[in-house]
Formats: sequence, C-alpha cells, structure tokens
Amino acid sequence: DQQVKQNSPSLSVQEGRISILNCDYTNSMFDYFLWYKKYPAEGPTFLISISSIKDKNEDGRFTVFLNKSAKHLSLHIVPSQPGDSAVYFCAASPRNSGNTPLVFGKGTRLSVIA
Amino acid sequence: EPEVTQTPSHQVTQMGQEVILRCVPISNHLYFYWYRQILGQKVEFLVSFYNNEISEKSEIFDDQFSVERPDGSNFTLKIRSTKLEDSAMYFCASSELGTLRDYGYTFGSGTRLTVV
Repeated sequence: DQQVKQNSPSLSVQEGRISILNCDYTNSMFDYFLWYKKYPAEGPTFLISISSIKDKNEDGRFTVFLNKSAKHLSLHIVPSQPGDSAVYFCAASPRNSGNTPLVFGKGTRLSVIA
Repeated sequence: EPEVTQTPSHQVTQMGQEVILRCVPISNHLYFYWYRQILGQKVEFLVSFYNNEISEKSEIFDDQFSVERPDGSNFTLKIRSTKLEDSAMYFCASSELGTLRDYGYTFGSGTRLTVV
C-alpha cells in the first residue's frame, strides 16, 4: 500500500532550467510534508517542508507547492545546478511533531546536466 | 554541524546470525528512529524510541528486532536471526523535542546490511 507515490523514478534537466519533482499521496490524514535529498553513500538530508495549512513554501532556489484537494505536492528547483543531482524523497506525516514516523515515497533521481 | 553517526558502514552476515547496528544520535536530541531502505524501494519506518522505550513500531519490526540505548549515547538495532530479506540500508535518525517544521529528522549515513 503506497501512501506516498513518486511516479517518476528519474528526471534529467539542463543546468539553469527548472526541475519539477512530483509527489502524490492517498492518506487524507497527512498534515505535514517534507522533501529530503540523498546523495550516494549518505543519509537523507532535510530540504524543505510544508504544512497542510499552506499551499506554498519557499527557501532560496527551492519551492514546495501543495494542492490538498488533489493530494499532490511538487518541489521546484530553479535554477537547477549540477550539485542538485541526487535522489529526492517526498515524505508525509499525520502530525507536525518531533516524534512522528514519516511515510516516504520511493524517490526520484534527478540528474542536472551541465 | 552535528551529525548522527552509524557504524559499521557495511556489514555482511550469514543468514541466521545476529547483527547489531550501532548509532550515535545528536547529543541534545530526544527522539530516535530506525528506518530501512531495500534496494530500489522506499525508505520504510521501523521504530521510534523516546524516554528509554519504544514509542511506535511498524509491522516490519517483529520479534526478531529489538532496540536499546545501553549507555545514554549509543542507540542500537539488533536483528536476532537474520534473513535474506533483511538485506537493506538501515538508517538511524534523531530529532529534537518539538516540531518537524524547521529541521525534519537528522539521518545518519546508513549501514548497508548484506545477508548471505
């Protein structure tokens, strides 16, 4: 039962262009969403998050959009840089607390081509 | 930058053997977690730990698994009798008391467990 789905296993983007990574969820109880970035041989690193009371959160080159009615969120990276090449995981939680299991998607491998 | 440290980075074990995966969480964090990722699959929650006891566990975390914080700094995951399907990357994570909003969790680099 995949509660968090990242339907694109990979994405290639030219340096300087926009990268859009998508994520869908099925559980309407999810209240908080996060994106993690993972380089090979490293653990996932927190990137950006959004609460269900918002529809957009921006941090530098990274913006997360949430469409609650569609149960869809996306991560926009602009402009994309070669150092952004990594696997990006979408994660969701039913509550915004420090003691919360996260439900992850399978990840999308982003390749930014110079 | 504070880190979550995991050892070993790679463990190979024979089926049926016991393994202990070790983690040193960030010192002022109060919540500890184990997740795993089977190759090509999603990262899956195993267990969370707070105040010296398990807070939540998933269906994956059956009687073969146990966690311990033996000395106030280490946080260990033990698999009593490993199976081939336990082969995965195991990630330890920790978080402060509070919200996920600003930091999410901090993950370690993982231990790749290979059961042969």
